[in-house]
Amino acid sequence: EVQLVESGGGLVQSGGSLRLSCAASGFTFSSYEMNWVRQAPGKGLEWFSYISSSGSTMYYADSVKGRFTISRDNAKKSLYLQMNSLRADDTAVYYCARVAVGAIYIDYWGQGTPVTVSS
Amino acid sequence: QSVLTQPPSVSGAPGQRVTISCTGSSSNIGAGYDVHWYQQLPRTAPKLLIYGNTNRPSGVPDRFSGSKSGTSASLAITGLQAEDEADYYCQSYDSSLSSWVFGGGTKLTVL
Repeated sequence: EVQLVESGGGLVQSGGSLRLSCAASGFTFSSYEMNWVRQAPGKGLEWFSYISSSGSTMYYADSVKGRFTISRDNAKKSLYLQMNSLRADDTAVYYCARVAVGAIYIDYWGQGTPVTVSS
Repeated sequence: QSVLTQPPSVSGAPGQRVTISCTGSSSNIGAGYDVHWYQQLPRTAPKLLIYGNTNRPSGVPDRFSGSKSGTSASLAITGLQAEDEADYYCQSYDSSLSSWVFGGGTKLTVL
């Protein structure tokens, strides 16, 4: 069974940093591209970061470019998100998500971890 | 303002059919990129509902169907059930933005 379990969310002050982790199991993690998607309270889904299966290619939405860094450790079957210079509008539930092979859609989502940035 | 436009809400009685539209542009749906749909039940993570415009993952009832034409796509739900009450999101890729894009979401209420 595919499982994605995020951790590391919490309350942080504006300007602070936080590192999210996503532990993967039930599939060959190193074969899959991964995304981070977030959802602000009462709002819709926002894609903001992608990483290739090898970790050599990363993409970011303009909203987080220069502040957030996606990475992965295939040996540990883990995905990471380093978030710096956090702002109030980064407050959201952060989802780790697996990209379907050879496609541009998400076939599995984690349960999400909430991040609250206080001003 | 989402790149893909969905109606904020739709509703229908049990057993009825509803459709949810997803309107894009020439840089996403109209450029030939596939449209995918996700269902988000209250207080849960999203779940893949339709992929590649029309395909249902294993376990998704055939009451759910997708279509695409031009710069738009639609999700149809027939035989509405109370458990279908959820938020629905369309998703595609935008070549101008070089970004995955989601619709703003549609809240389905089963009356």
